[in-house]
Amino acid sequence: KAGVTQTPRYLIKTRGQQVTLSCSPISGHRSVSWYQQTPGQGLQFLFEYFSETQRNKGNFPGRFSGRQFSNSRSEMNVSTLELGDSALYLCASSFLTSNQETQYFGPGTRLLVL
Amino acid sequence: QQQVKQSPQSLIVQKGGISIINCAYENTAFDYFPWYQQFPGKGPALLIAIRPDVSEKKEGRFTISFNKSAKQFSLHIMDSQPGDSATYFCAAAAGAGNMLTFGGGTRLMVKP
Repeated sequence: KAGVTQTPRYLIKTRGQQVTLSCSPISGHRSVSWYQQTPGQGLQFLFEYFSETQRNKGNFPGRFSGRQFSNSRSEMNVSTLELGDSALYLCASSFLTSNQETQYFGPGTRLLVL
Repeated sequence: QQQVKQSPQSLIVQKGGISIINCAYENTAFDYFPWYQQFPGKGPALLIAIRPDVSEKKEGRFTISFNKSAKQFSLHIMDSQPGDSATYFCAAAAGAGNMLTFGGGTRLMVKP
């Protein structure tokens, strides 16, 4: 079974631009979560989607948004990019609907904002 | 506010030794405590997880010890191997959904 895939793997943008990252979960998984990883702040939860609905949201500004499609694929968007948005963005998927199931992480998208 | 504090930040252990990483949490609503292993260029991968109804869980060379009253939990890696060299993250979650709060990470180096 294929793992979580994220595209693109690397991205360079300039301040003020917007970016869209994509995540394809493991087949059959319905929950998709997004995390930001930086050397300074570590791993921080952005949001979780389940059945096309945002189920949980972390403490990030409204410039960060996401959505999930009917096939469970998810996208996250960052508008008006800032230098501090440079990070590794990780997507994780899980199967069951109950609490705290094992999350399987993708390799991430490394975003550099210049 | 850092809700999960992890120590040490880095750790060097000889091959065959025991690696110990500690985490402390503040939110008493946390009821799921996983440990993740991350190699460079890869996403984190679940190693082992525990819920507060048990004080210890062992899977192979990896053991989680959990102290609910002290709000602390730790990862022990027995017979550490050079292939265990990676960054380890503790995490915690509460209630419904998959919102993980991560510790700051520990970079482990196992010397041959």
